[in-house]
Order: sequence, then structure tokens, then C-alpha cells
Amino acid sequence: DVKVTQSSRYLVKRTGEKVFLECVQDMDHENMFWYRQDPGLGLRLIYFSYDVKMKEKGDIPEGYSVSREKKERFSLILESASTNQTSMYLCASSQGVGGSKLFFGSGTQLSVL
Amino acid sequence: AQSVTQLDSQVPVFEEAPVELRCNYSSSVSVYLFWYVQYPNQGLQLLLKYLSGSTLVKGINGFEAEFNKSQTSFHLRKPSVHISDTAEYFCAVSDQLPGGSEKLVFGKGTKLTVNP
Repeated sequence: DVKVTQSSRYLVKRTGEKVFLECVQDMDHENMFWYRQDPGLGLRLIYFSYDVKMKEKGDIPEGYSVSREKKERFSLILESASTNQTSMYLCASSQGVGGSKLFFGSGTQLSVL
Repeated sequence: AQSVTQLDSQVPVFEEAPVELRCNYSSSVSVYLFWYVQYPNQGLQLLLKYLSGSTLVKGINGFEAEFNKSQTSFHLRKPSVHISDTAEYFCAVSDQLPGGSEKLVFGKGTKLTVNP
């Protein structure tokens, strides 16, 4: 089975801190995604990447950046965390295009105080 | 850009009753549609998907969905639900992007609660 691993299940940070959320997949997938999930808003795409060192903005990229130095790892960076970035962050990966299945990690619940 | 509307944010039902979770998407020439399920404290997993062919799609755990192009709908159904079906269900549509990549656009989710 494909495994998508997010480094932390729960994370508590202070306003203004730089925050790194790490995601690793073990199936050599080309595509990786970062979503945030908020009650009543569903999943919203922050950034995605379809190749190493490539990145594309999603629907809500403001306040975030990403890094993909290796195919298996996709990092989400909050340059200066703010309270409105308190959320559940979900990483996902997929292979190819044309309706590919997304494999999700278990999520990181980030609280910014 | 594609968009998805899930018409019900919460659906309570009794065990062994039938259920339908409604989903409408914005129109497009061709579309790939998905239902994902999220059990408490877990990530999302694929329930079923429609790419082409038969409009009735069968998924895991006895769920099925029907693609209706004229009504731009992809409603999810199960004839008899179990307590273990309590979860949040997300409808999603694939959005093709310039350059050949694609992303999934999700609805806001429907929380299904199955009561004894």
C-alpha cells in the first residue's frame, strides 16, 4: 500500500514563528499536494508539485511556500505563522493525470497561538 | 475553473436506512468525479470515481454513485447504512490545468451520522 507520512500529528507554534510541515511518500509518485481543511470549508488547495523542484500555486497560497528538492518529499513552509493559519493540513500524492487517485496522509493539526 | 457543491452539510440517518449524499459540479466538456471518505482522526480515502463509461459507479463498502451529465450531478447512495459509515464524505472534481497537470477541487463535505 502507498504510504504518505506527515511528520507530526499535532503541532503548536507561536505567532511569527517559521513553521515547516514535512510530507514523505514511498511510491515514487510524480504529483504531491498540500491542502488545508477547515470545518465548513472542506479542503482547499495551497500548493502542488508535479515534478522535483516544480511548484504551482493552488487556490490559497498566500502566507505559504513549498519546497520539493527530492521526489518523495514535499515540505510546506509558513514563513511567519499567524493565528488564521491554525488548521488541519493534509498532504497527498498521486501518479500521472487523467483522474488519478489521491493518497492522503493522516494530517497535521497546527495550532498557532 | 471547476467547482463542487455539496448540498447538505449534515445528514443524520438511522441504521439500516438508505442514504443519498448530493453533489453538483460546474459544467465542463469532460470531467472526472470522485467521492472520498474521512473517518474520524484519519486522512481521506477514495470511495469511488467516475472517469468514463457506465454512469453507475460502484465503490467500496457498498456505496455507489450515479453520474448525470444533464443535471451535472454525482450523488452518492447506499441502500442500507451501518454505524461504521459515520464519517465525513467529500465530493471532488478534477480540474485540468494549462500545461497538462491537474488538481482536485473538493466540496465542503457532508457529515453522515448513523444512529442506532
